[in-house]
Amino acid sequence: ETGVTQSPTHLIKTRGQQVTLRCSSQSGHNTVSWYQQALGQGPQFIFQYYREEENGRGNFPPRFSGLQFPNYSSELNVNALELDDSALYLCASSLGLGPRAFFGQGTRLTVV
Amino acid sequence: RKEVEQDPGPFNVPEGATVAFNCTYSNSASQSFFWYRQDCRKEPKLLMSVYSSGNEDGRFTAQLNRASQYISLLIRDSKLSDSATYLCVVSEDFGNEKLTFGTGTRLTIIP
Repeated sequence: ETGVTQSPTHLIKTRGQQVTLRCSSQSGHNTVSWYQQALGQGPQFIFQYYREEENGRGNFPPRFSGLQFPNYSSELNVNALELDDSALYLCASSLGLGPRAFFGQGTRLTVV
Repeated sequence: RKEVEQDPGPFNVPEGATVAFNCTYSNSASQSFFWYRQDCRKEPKLLMSVYSSGNEDGRFTAQLNRASQYISLLIRDSKLSDSATYLCVVSEDFGNEKLTFGTGTRLTIIP
């Protein structure tokens, strides 16, 4: 096990609603990244937080927002959910800004 | 053009056979290279990093050709437990953990 935990594991939301996904990083890790994995695709980078500051963002609209807390846990918020937001959302943690990432088990979001 | 391209497969290979996957990447500034393994409905897990000199980990061998922007993975003496999706991954720089994934190649080992 990587020590990265995500909650909830599964979620069903209605189009237009808002959702908050949570991630607890591995002990000692101060960097958290979020990825979206649609069915049949590889994960796509949403954004990264390093020491509570955003440190890079992928090609996602502003309704995808995040937060990192002093204990380095993180939240991903998505507003105005669309059907295409249905995906597996993965959180990855690491120590510092190196590329070695440890993934949590993911949150499977279904938007109906 | 996708930043990381892989043949999605599926590859159906008999147990004990050797199988090779290839991947190309478009960003010549890419600095770090990896193969990840993803089991059905699970998270990706790092299989191995890939270096220009080539590296081997048991039955797995990875190669990187920077000039051709090409990465390969070779699995020898394949086992049933090797059945998974194999994701080719690159990272642009050392100051950002952003990983760019290919779509993955699905491998099924047949008894």
